[in-house]
Amino acid sequence: SAVISQKPSRDICQRGTSLTIQCQVDSQVTMMFWYRQQPGQSLTLIATANQGSEATYESGFVIDKFPISRPNLTFSTLTVSNMSPEDSSIYLCSVSRSLSHEQYFGPGTRLTVT
Amino acid sequence: SQELEQSPQSLIVQEGKNLTINCTSSKTLYGLYWYKQKYGEGLIFLMMLQKGGEEKSHEKITAKLDEKKQQSSLHITASQPSHAGIYLCGATTGGSNYKLTFGKGTLLTVNP
Repeated sequence: SAVISQKPSRDICQRGTSLTIQCQVDSQVTMMFWYRQQPGQSLTLIATANQGSEATYESGFVIDKFPISRPNLTFSTLTVSNMSPEDSSIYLCSVSRSLSHEQYFGPGTRLTVT
Repeated sequence: SQELEQSPQSLIVQEGKNLTINCTSSKTLYGLYWYKQKYGEGLIFLMMLQKGGEEKSHEKITAKLDEKKQQSSLHITASQPSHAGIYLCGATTGGSNYKLTFGKGTLLTVNP
């Protein structure tokens, strides 16, 4: 397994501002992902954070809105830019050692945009 | 795109009772994952199944993947209040597709 921490755990932000969420893993992992869980909904993959290169975004998500960094094998950040109330969600990072290994999730960041 | 149907959507059981949650896919699955989520929190990994007919158990929770790899069940024996939460199945369709698609979840309430 992997121990994953996220910061902040929650935040309340004004519309139009940006928030950067950090994800830290206690050991090196091959793959890191960012998911969004809107109120009352299941999880949706935003992007795969690639070390040393641009993230791979899923349909409906763009880099200008959700810039992602992954400087090394244990750390990644997701920024939610120019926020609107529709961005209010729980944002979760997950990690996996390979395609055939389990995917573990962080505790999530609960974001409320007013 | 792949869809995962979970049933039931919600379940209320008396402590000590057994229960089963189902997850059905329209496509053959590469990996099937079960997670538990407490309200507003992260996901706790329960089990991953990859082989047709595979069955795994941890404490009082057993998960199975059918031979065709299109349906999975999660069975809890002698449920306890600590089992309460949202159970989510997630799946990948294999190859280079690592993307986890999730079902909508099953809300389990266990009454003491």
